[in-house]
Amino acid sequence: EPEVTQTPSHQVTQMGQEVILRCVPISNHLYFYWYRQILGQKVEFLVSFYNNEISEKSEIFDDQFSVERPDGSNFTLKIRSTKLEDSAMYFCASSLRTDGRDTIYFGEGSWLTVV
Amino acid sequence: KQEVTQIPAALSVPEGENLVLNCSFTDSAIYNLQWFRQDPGKGLTSLLLIQSSQREQTSGRLNASLDKSSGRSTLYIAASQPGDSATYLCAVRPWGYTDKLIFGTGTRLQVFP
Repeated sequence: EPEVTQTPSHQVTQMGQEVILRCVPISNHLYFYWYRQILGQKVEFLVSFYNNEISEKSEIFDDQFSVERPDGSNFTLKIRSTKLEDSAMYFCASSLRTDGRDTIYFGEGSWLTVV
Repeated sequence: KQEVTQIPAALSVPEGENLVLNCSFTDSAIYNLQWFRQDPGKGLTSLLLIQSSQREQTSGRLNASLDKSSGRSTLYIAASQPGDSATYLCAVRPWGYTDKLIFGTGTRLQVFP
C-alpha cells in the first residue's frame, strides 16, 4: 500500500537553529499537510498546501514556519529559529482531494527535540 | 469552536473481549469523522472514515458508528487481541471551508493475553 514517508525520524537541534523536516507524500495525492503532537497532548493542525500554495494555516504556524514543495515529490517544513517549545512529533499527511470524502494518510512522524 | 473528547482515556482488557471506544464532538456540523490507530512513538494509521451522511463503517473486526446529531461516534472492536494494543484517536473534519482535522486526546488500549 502506498505510504507517506518522512525524514529524519528523529532530530536533536540546538535552540535557535534552523530545521528542515522532509516528506514524500503519496505519489498521486494533491493535498499536503503538516500536523504536530507535543508529548502527551493532542495532534494539532499546522498547515495545508495545495497547488503550490498554502490553503490554510493555524495560529501555531507563525512566521518562523514555512513549507515548500521544491520538486514533484518532496514536501518540506522549515522552522527558522527553533525554540524549546517546538519539541514535538511532526507528522506529514496527504490526501487525493479535500472535499470531505477522502481519507487523509499520515507518515510515521519526525521527532524533533530542541535543547 | 469544535472540541473532540474521547472516553475512556485508558482501557485494559483481557484478550477476546468486545470493546467500545467513545468519541464526542461539540459541533455537529462536520464533513466526516476518521478513526486512527497510533502505536507508541509511531505515526497515525487510518482505520475507518465515516462521511457525515453515513451511520457506520466496517473493516474486519472494527465497526465505527456515527450519530452526528448527538455529536457521538463509537469504535467497536470485536474479539480483541494483544496486537490491538495501541492508542486510538478520532478526528473530525469541520463543515465549511477548512482542510484541517480536529483530534481527540485518544484512548490508550491494552489487551493482555
